[in-house]
Amino acid sequence: DIQMTQSPSSLSASVGDSVTITCRASQGINRFLAWYQHKPGKVPNLLIYAASTLQSGVPSRFSGSGSGTDYTLSISSLQPEDVATYYCQTYSSAPFTFGPGTKVDI
Amino acid sequence: QVQLVESGGGVVQPGGSLRLSCAASGFTFSNFGMHWVRQAPGKGLEWVAFIRNDDNDKLYADSVKGRFTISRDNSKNTLYLQMNNLRGDDTAVYFCAKGHPPYSNGWADFWGQGTLVSVSS
Repeated sequence: DIQMTQSPSSLSASVGDSVTITCRASQGINRFLAWYQHKPGKVPNLLIYAASTLQSGVPSRFSGSGSGTDYTLSISSLQPEDVATYYCQTYSSAPFTFGPGTKVDI
Repeated sequence: QVQLVESGGGVVQPGGSLRLSCAASGFTFSNFGMHWVRQAPGKGLEWVAFIRNDDNDKLYADSVKGRFTISRDNSKNTLYLQMNNLRGDDTAVYFCAKGHPPYSNGWADFWGQGTLVSVSS
């Protein structure tokens, strides 16, 4: 099974800051990676799929990159509404494992 | 617009069974694979199961394999999760999610509101 790790587990930044979250797979996943934003009490929201493709309607301050085993989610100018936990997930092969999440605060 | 509405959650004793349903609308249900994902209290998201659009492939997390069964009825636009031999660590909010792209496994682009399952004596 592919294991997914994320770093950091949490971060605190100021409005307008640039933020980067890292996701690492235990083996190469060929960019079969999605990123989700999950706010407390809300439904998870797809941000990015195929490692770097922005889902329709997602603000352009979100971006994704990476290949092989290492991937990143970047927020170019952090906004108050970005407070949430962010998860990566591989859909390369089952089980479609999520990372443990990164909690972002302001 | 895509809508996914889960139902069937509740309180059940350890060792008991429960069947979750997810009613889908706003898209051609029979063209898309579907996921179940759960979140235990205070924990992260955990992928549970996936079923292909034509019911030909069903995939499970190791933690539920042999106890949970995913199924679908394309004539009713409904996804199911039969949960047997429930344990305390199955306590969670269960989300159904639409897979994308069609005819394959992939990411989850739309999610339901979730239904709470609580396993307790």
